[in-house]
Amino acid sequence: AQSVSQHNHHVILSEAASLELGCNYSYGGTVNLFWYVQYPGQHLQLLLKYFSGDPLVKGIKGFEAEFIKSKFSFNLRKPSVQWSDTAEYFCAVKNQAGTALIFGKGTTLSVSS
Amino acid sequence: NAGVTQTPKFQVLKTGQSMTLQCAQDMNHNSMYWYRQDPGMGLRLIYYSASEGTTDKGEVPNGYNVSRLNKREFSLRLESAAPSQTSVYFCASSEYFAGGPYEQYFGPGTRLTVT
Repeated sequence: AQSVSQHNHHVILSEAASLELGCNYSYGGTVNLFWYVQYPGQHLQLLLKYFSGDPLVKGIKGFEAEFIKSKFSFNLRKPSVQWSDTAEYFCAVKNQAGTALIFGKGTTLSVSS
Repeated sequence: NAGVTQTPKFQVLKTGQSMTLQCAQDMNHNSMYWYRQDPGMGLRLIYYSASEGTTDKGEVPNGYNVSRLNKREFSLRLESAAPSQTSVYFCASSEYFAGGPYEQYFGPGTRLTVT
């Protein structure tokens, strides 16, 4: 079955540290990839998406992600995190049938000031 | 635009009771989805509706039914609630094109507790 793996369950960083959250997916065909963020008590919001073209995708709030087809990966990065980045982050991929998204289990990021 | 709205925000049910979660979107999206979110499990798809008039099962459909009432509204019904259905429920909508779903827009969620 298709799946999305997020390697880090909980990441703890200090402000200004760099961030990289891993995401690997199992589907080898044409992929649509997404990163969503859920701030405490809020609903999910789209950070960035990849459909085609430049594999380095820039999103909101200084986040970026790199699609590496050979590694089936779509890792999320930010050069310098802020306390306000404390949230849960979800990677998602379009399913093989093209009908819905499959989400990873999420990574909780805690940033201390 | 309100985006995706859900009612109620909170609900407590006793085992065996039934209820319907309501969802509406004003973005003229074709596709709508119901997810449940549980700690450490991420989001799991319950049901989805690719377009008005169609519904399909997702990863965890047992114990749920859905109705795509019209293009705007997609409801989720629990016929006989069980404690295992205690969760946060999110509705989402998206455009849909030949290559697959576009990004999904989420509602604020319904926190359901079944005692």
